[in-house]
Amino acid sequence: GAGVSQTPSNKVTEKGKYVELRCDPISGHTALYWYRQSLGQGPEFLIYFQGTGAADDSGLPNDRFFAVRPEGSVSTLKIQRTERGDSAMYLCASSFMSSGAGANVLTFGAGSRLTVL
Amino acid sequence: DAKTTQPPSMDCAEGRAANLPCNHSTISGNEYVYWYRQIHSQGPQYIIHGLKNNETNEMASLIITEDRKSSTLILPHATLRDTAVYYCIVTPRGGNKLVFGAGTILRVKS
Repeated sequence: GAGVSQTPSNKVTEKGKYVELRCDPISGHTALYWYRQSLGQGPEFLIYFQGTGAADDSGLPNDRFFAVRPEGSVSTLKIQRTERGDSAMYLCASSFMSSGAGANVLTFGAGSRLTVL
Repeated sequence: DAKTTQPPSMDCAEGRAANLPCNHSTISGNEYVYWYRQIHSQGPQYIIHGLKNNETNEMASLIITEDRKSSTLILPHATLRDTAVYYCIVTPRGGNKLVFGAGTILRVKS
């Protein structure tokens, strides 16, 4: 596709429910990132994939959060037993390069806004 | 990652140059300066990056001081559509987690 696509754009769920957020990166981009952004703050890193493997998952806040990228393209962020504090905008980004200065040139999607009631 | 300091907000008149400063006094020799912006209700957008030389592209210019402890992003002719939060980030080359601070809210006014 022309850009990074994220679905759903909005998700409202109840506390304790399970949620999946999907990211479709730009075709051919091997690096994929998930970020979380709370109102009034900058994006916060969650996890980084290089191909199918998670190269850095140090930003995942706890074991309720998990992400996969089984075929090295589409990625799914999974949140179990959602809590009200999980409410945020979840942003996905991809990059064509995996090394060099260009590896930090990310293209972001529009995000998935999660609201936990 | 080196930390950056940016003013919380700035105003700029439409058509004028917007100069957004960033301090990164603890930057390491292998760290680049990246600028992103985020327009309301959109994901961040890459603008420009540099190591030590000044850089220019179709969006902006990046001026990095000789000691690399600070930089300035210049939007030469700001428009209302440039109203956004501008983030200055320093990080080594290679796939890395970008650490976003609070950024500078730039308001372009007519």
